[in-house]
Amino acid sequence: DVKVTQSSRYLVKRTGEKVFLECVQDMDHENMFWYRQDPGLGLRLIYFSYDVKMKEKGDIPEGYSVSREKKERFSLILESASTNQTSMYLCASSQDRFKSSYNEQFFGPGTRLTVL
Amino acid sequence: GEDVEQSLFLSVREGDSSVINCTYTDSSSTYLYWYKQEPGAGLQLLTYIFSNMDMKQDQRLTVLLNKKDKHLSLRIADTQTGDSAIYFCAEIRMDSSYKLIFGSGTRLLVRP
Repeated sequence: DVKVTQSSRYLVKRTGEKVFLECVQDMDHENMFWYRQDPGLGLRLIYFSYDVKMKEKGDIPEGYSVSREKKERFSLILESASTNQTSMYLCASSQDRFKSSYNEQFFGPGTRLTVL
Repeated sequence: GEDVEQSLFLSVREGDSSVINCTYTDSSSTYLYWYKQEPGAGLQLLTYIFSNMDMKQDQRLTVLLNKKDKHLSLRIADTQTGDSAIYFCAEIRMDSSYKLIFGSGTRLLVRP
């Protein structure tokens, strides 16, 4: 059974704190993604990674950074959390496009982050 | 533009059919997807359609694709209360990023 896990389901932080969100997949997938989900806006891509130590900016990277030191782990970092980063954060993984016929992304359960 | 568009809300009675509509933007997308998000969970792929197809049927689900109008729909026959969820339409960008672009999601409420 394929699995993407996220370190916390709920997190409450204060403005200005450094926040780490961890994501681990056990499917040996090359690609990993971080999205945020807000009502009425759907999912918006923050960062993605096609390989270890590689990262690419998504559509809304401002205020975020990422780290991928190992293939199975992709971390999202909020250097100085702000209230407008209160959101649901979803991690996903997928096979390399040349291995996968239809590029399914597998999602974790999400982390609901509240910044006070 | 960049947006994949869906209506935000749909309410149906149990046993009726549900139809969720989506318009997408990239005519070169090879695959289009429907993902389902149940309460408190992440997204799960429900079905997908290859761009050279007009229709795909999978048990109670029917996907229709109109490439000329860039319109995608998902029909759920005999809708059950367990189908209550948010449904996201997504297209794949055929540039170097190969990333998915999601719509805003349609919340389906099934009334008993």
